Amino acid sequence: DQQVKQNSPSLSVQEGRISILNCDYTNSMFDYFLWYKKYPAEGPTFLISISSIKDKNEDGRFTVFLNKSAKHLSLHIVPSQPGDSAVYFCAASGSGTYKYIFGTGTRLKVLA
Amino acid sequence: DAGVTQSPTHLIKTRGQHVTLRCSPISGHKSVSWYQQVLGQGPQFIFQYYEKEERGRGNFPDRFSARQFPNYSSELNVNALLLGDSALYLCASSLSGRGGYGYTFGSGTRLTVV
Repeated sequence: DQQVKQNSPSLSVQEGRISILNCDYTNSMFDYFLWYKKYPAEGPTFLISISSIKDKNEDGRFTVFLNKSAKHLSLHIVPSQPGDSAVYFCAASGSGTYKYIFGTGTRLKVLA
Repeated sequence: DAGVTQSPTHLIKTRGQHVTLRCSPISGHKSVSWYQQVLGQGPQFIFQYYEKEERGRGNFPDRFSARQFPNYSSELNVNALLLGDSALYLCASSLSGRGGYGYTFGSGTRLTVV
């Protein structure tokens, strides 16, 4: 039972263009969502979060959008840079719980 | 500033053996969580500790246990190792461990069971 799904295992984007990574969830009790980036041989690095009271959060080149009715969130990276090439995980948590449920990740490759 | 440190970085064990993995959180962080990441999957929650008390446990067998020490460092123990325990074990620390606050992850311990 995969509560958090990232249906695209990989994505290739040209440098300077927009990267859009998608994530779907099934549990309506989730109210915090995070994106992590992972390089090989390193642990995941926290990127950006959004709570369910918002539908958008921006941090520099990174913007996360949340559509609660569709149980869908997306991460936009604009403009994409070669250094953004990594595996991106979305994760969800419910308030009062202590764990995050992670998706299976999307490998982003930004082509120079 | 030291991040989350985990030791060892790599480990090879034989089926049936026992293993102990260690984690030191960021200074000031009182919560430590452990995750298992199997190749091709996202991290899966194993345990969370806060102020030395277990606050949550994932769907893992009793062969997995953990504890947190007064200095907030933590150990993950796995008994009677199986081939399927081969994975990257990640430790994450946070101030409180509550949902909504991002963790800081360590680089992980790569465990191979042969």
